[in-house]
Amino acid sequence: DAEITQSPRHKITETGRQVTLACHQTWNHNNMFWYRQDLGHGLRLIHYSYGVHDTNKGEVSDGYSVSRSNTEDLPLTLESAASSQTSVYFCASSERGRPREAFFGQGTRLTVV
Amino acid sequence: ILNVEQSPQSLHVQEGDSTNFTCSFPSSNFYALHWYRWETAKSPEALFVMTLNGDEKKKGRISATLNTKEGYSYLYIKGSQPEDSATYLCASSIYNQGGKLIFGQGTELSVKP
Repeated sequence: DAEITQSPRHKITETGRQVTLACHQTWNHNNMFWYRQDLGHGLRLIHYSYGVHDTNKGEVSDGYSVSRSNTEDLPLTLESAASSQTSVYFCASSERGRPREAFFGQGTRLTVV
Repeated sequence: ILNVEQSPQSLHVQEGDSTNFTCSFPSSNFYALHWYRWETAKSPEALFVMTLNGDEKKKGRISATLNTKEGYSYLYIKGSQPEDSATYLCASSIYNQGGKLIFGQGTELSVKP
């Protein structure tokens, strides 16, 4: 069965360190997204990609970057982790074209100390 | 930035009660409206994807309606059960950015036996 997986599931890091969260999907979806879960805000969009070598900033992109070198993966990098980036991060993917549901990974809980 | 609002923020009902939530979104350049169900410690799962004004969708005891002209959607749960307890998210997308979903803050439903 096709799926979307995130790793690691939990991560503790120190302020100032660079951290990369992995997202891998086997749906062969063109669209991939990274969201963070914030109390009172639901899911907020960090970065998204509509295909290989395409990346776009979302609402809360400062301090984050992504790259899309193939269809399956969209890693999210925190350039210099800050305590404000402590959150649960969700990766999602969807098909290009007519409106389609998005499929979400299990989430990565990141704590910056 | 697309602004999607949900109300109420939380709802506590008794088993057997029927309930409804509201999602409001900008009606200009509307493309699609999504509803997701999000249980604690799990990933959001799609309930409905709606595009047409006046559209109504149903899945078991859950149904949703869409008014694209005035920019709102209702989600109804008939005869709530404890297993319906979850956060219900709506998300909207705009034309030419069809894959990109902007989420509301969610409505947290708690159903007591």
